[in-house]
Amino acid sequence: EVQLVESGGGLVQPGRSLKLSCAASGFTFSNYYMAWVRQAPKKGLEWVATISTSGSRTYYPDSVKGRFTISRDNAKSSLYLQMNSLKSEDTATYYCARQTRPNLFDYWGQGVMVTVSS
Amino acid sequence: DIVMTQGALPNPVPSGESVSITCRSSKSLLYSDGKTYLNWYLQRPGQSPQLLIYWMSTRASGVSDRFSGSGSGTDFTLKISGVEAEDVGVYYCQQGLEFPLTFGSGTKLEIK
Repeated sequence: EVQLVESGGGLVQPGRSLKLSCAASGFTFSNYYMAWVRQAPKKGLEWVATISTSGSRTYYPDSVKGRFTISRDNAKSSLYLQMNSLKSEDTATYYCARQTRPNLFDYWGQGVMVTVSS
Repeated sequence: DIVMTQGALPNPVPSGESVSITCRSSKSLLYSDGKTYLNWYLQRPGQSPQLLIYWMSTRASGVSDRFSGSGSGTDFTLKISGVEAEDVGVYYCQQGLEFPLTFGSGTKLEIK
């Protein structure tokens, strides 16, 4: 059974940093692209980052480019999201998701809440 | 960026009725391989999203055949035949053609 379990969320002040983790199991992690998708309170879904199987390629929307960094450790079947210079608009539930061709998200974690506030 | 625009439903919908959820993209999602890169998800209340349909009309594993997807390169429809209580939630379309990957704003389904 595919499982994705996020951790590392919490309350953080504007301008500070936070690192999210996602532990994957039930599939061969190194064979899949992985992604982060977020959802602000009472809002829709927003794709945040994607990483290739080896980690050599990463993709971001303009809203987080230069502030967020996605990474992975295939030996540990783990995905990460380093978030720097956090803003109030980054407040959201962050989901870890497995990404497959054709750029869809076929498994999602339960999500982790990040609140950016002073 | 490709903008995804979703329509609304006349909620609440009577149980057993069929509904169609619409989604439009600002650019054709038909790729040179002949496939249309449009995906549908359902997010039930308090849950994570789940994949329903990909390549515009292919049901994901385990998804009821009451769900069907159709459309053209820019206009898409998710049909639910005979809505049930478990179908309640918010439906999202998402384009997988190019980065940045983008979602529609969601369509809420409530059942009477």
